[in-house]
Amino acid sequence: DQQVKQNSPSLSVQEGRISILNCDYTNSMFDYFLWYKKYPAEGPTFLISISSIKDKNEDGRFTVFLNKSAKHLSLHIVPSQPGDSAVYFCAASRLDSSYKLIFGSGTRLLVRP
Amino acid sequence: NAGVMQNPRHLVRRRGQEARLRCSPMKGHSHVYWYRQLPEEGLKFMVYLQKENIIDESGMPKERFSAEFPKEGPSILRIQQVVRGDSAAYFCASSPGSGGVYNEQFFGPGTRLTVL
Repeated sequence: DQQVKQNSPSLSVQEGRISILNCDYTNSMFDYFLWYKKYPAEGPTFLISISSIKDKNEDGRFTVFLNKSAKHLSLHIVPSQPGDSAVYFCAASRLDSSYKLIFGSGTRLLVRP
Repeated sequence: NAGVMQNPRHLVRRRGQEARLRCSPMKGHSHVYWYRQLPEEGLKFMVYLQKENIIDESGMPKERFSAEFPKEGPSILRIQQVVRGDSAAYFCASSPGSGGVYNEQFFGPGTRLTVL
């Protein structure tokens, strides 16, 4: 039962352009959604989160959009930089489930110089 | 302000041996989560602990796996009688508390367990 899905295993974009990473979920009870970035042989690094009562949250080059009716969220990175090349994980959590994170399988982003 | 510390970073065990993975949360954080990542997969929740209490162990196999977070010292994930299928990266995350802006979990670098 995969509650959080990232259907694109990889994405390649040109430096300076926008990167859009997508995530779908099946459980309408999730309270928070988070994006993590991961380099090889390192732990995930928190990027940005959004509460289920909001539809947008922005932090610098990173913006997360939440569409609750479609059970879909996306991470926009603009402008993309070569240092953004990493695996991006979408995660979701619930207050009544200890806030444990349910992760998607990740999308590998390559930003070409 | 040190981040989440995990040791060892790499651990090699033979089948049937025990593996002990340690996690020191960030200063001021009293909540610890353990996750496991198999190759080419996302992270899977195992267990959630607060000081001296296991809050949620719904993701942890019932046999051979145990976890603790004592009043003093690091959190420990213990795997007894390891098998090849236990080979994975084990990540620990800490947070200051539940709810609101405290929902974010901060991850350690992980322990890569290889079972021969």
